[in-house]
Amino acid sequence: DAKTTQPTSMDCAEGRAANLPCNHSTISGNEYVYWYRQIHSQGPQYIIHGLKNNETNEMASLIITEDRKSSTLILPHATLRDTAVYYCIVRVGSGNTPLVFGKGTRLSVIA
Amino acid sequence: DAGVTQSPTHLIKTRGQQVTLRCSPKSGHDTVSWYQQALGQGPQFIFQYYEEEERQRGNFPDRFSGHQFPNYSSELNVNALLLGDSALYLCASSLGASQGDQPQHFGDGTRLSIL
Repeated sequence: DAKTTQPTSMDCAEGRAANLPCNHSTISGNEYVYWYRQIHSQGPQYIIHGLKNNETNEMASLIITEDRKSSTLILPHATLRDTAVYYCIVRVGSGNTPLVFGKGTRLSVIA
Repeated sequence: DAGVTQSPTHLIKTRGQQVTLRCSPKSGHDTVSWYQQALGQGPQFIFQYYEEEERQRGNFPDRFSGHQFPNYSSELNVNALLLGDSALYLCASSLGASQGDQPQHFGDGTRLSIL
C-alpha cells in the first residue's frame, strides 16, 4: 500500500503557483520523497525528489517539513499543460526499489 | 538522447491468447521495471529485471513473465489472457542499485485491450 496521503483533486488558476500537499507520517530515515506526474494517455513523468532538504529544479520546487512527515510540491507558474495527476511517493533511495503509487492528486489548471 | 520506448502502443487480443510487449530503456540505464495501470488507478509494480535476471516481483501470477536481453531491452509476456488484464502496461528504466539514489524513467506504455 502507498505510504502517502494526497487530496483527490485541486484546481489552480493559470499563471498562479500550484501547491500540492502530501502527508507521509510514517516515512523512514532512509526514504526519499519522489514526485511524478501523469498527463492523460502518457507515462508518468519524473519531476523531483528529496531526502530532507528543499530541492528545486527547472520544473518545480519541493519543500519538506523539518520532521519529514509532510511535503509540498510547488509549480511556480502553472500553465494549462500542467493539468495532470500528481503522485507523491516515498521510496528507499535506490534505482532498483519499485515505486508504490497511490491514487495521486488530479490538478486542473484553469484559464 | 532517446528516452524509454515501448512497442506496440496499442494492442487488441482475445481471452486465452498470449501477448508480448517490448521495452527499450533510456540510454545508459541497465534496469527495467514493468508496471500495470488499470483505468483510474495508479501503476502497480509487476517485476524488475537487472543483469538479465528477475530481481523483484510484485503480486502478479506466473502468467506474467519477462526477459531481459544483453542490450538491456526487455519483454513482458502474458499468457492465458483474462478480461482483467486490460490495462496500460508501463516500462520504467533506471541505473542499477550500485548507483545509489536514482529515479525511474517511464515510457508512454502499451494499451492492451482484451475482448
